[in-house]
Amino acid sequence: EPEVTQTPSHQVTQMGQEVILRCVPISNHLYFYWYRQILGQKVEFLVSFYNNEISEKSEIFDDQFSVERPDGSNFTLKIRSTKLEDSAMYFCASHRDSNYGYTFGSGTRLTVV
Amino acid sequence: KNEVEQSPQNLTAQEGEFITINCSYSVGISALHWLQQHPGGGIVSLFMLSSGKKKHGRLIATINIQEKHSSLHITASHPRDSAVYICAVGAATNKLIFGTGTLLAVQP
Repeated sequence: EPEVTQTPSHQVTQMGQEVILRCVPISNHLYFYWYRQILGQKVEFLVSFYNNEISEKSEIFDDQFSVERPDGSNFTLKIRSTKLEDSAMYFCASHRDSNYGYTFGSGTRLTVV
Repeated sequence: KNEVEQSPQNLTAQEGEFITINCSYSVGISALHWLQQHPGGGIVSLFMLSSGKKKHGRLIATINIQEKHSSLHITASHPRDSAVYICAVGAATNKLIFGTGTLLAVQP
């Protein structure tokens, strides 16, 4: 069964550093998302991406964050100048269209120290 | 107030018991999703439904659009069903709004 692949699975970074989280969505999917889950809390929407542009972003997704689909396969989330409160599990997800369910990646656990 | 409420937050059951997890939502939705999250953190989609009832193996999901309520049932529960079960609603924009999850522990 096709999978959404996320790398790395774990990342530890110093506060103030930039991190790039990578995702390879399923090839025939058209909608891509980043969600995050702070430890012990519910999953929160960050951003959705369709047709090579952001279609919606949450209040969390401020100027510190950016997304790209640089080569038609990878889908990246960049966090500039990381803060302690950015520590969370970040999930990439994709789906073909609104008639189909989501497929989630296994997540990247980001720890900012 | 949370847009998606789940109950109970925690549930302990004995192997073989019939389990029900409830979800209520307060926003307009395109579909409702039931997801499973294991201790390692990965999220698996169980059901996506916009009306009626769906069944997959021992899992059954129902939704009542008028009452804005959905239930996830597990028949003949097994310890391997232990996980966090999450209700999430699909907004018109396709993003998902998540509930806080129900931590299920099935004891042998």
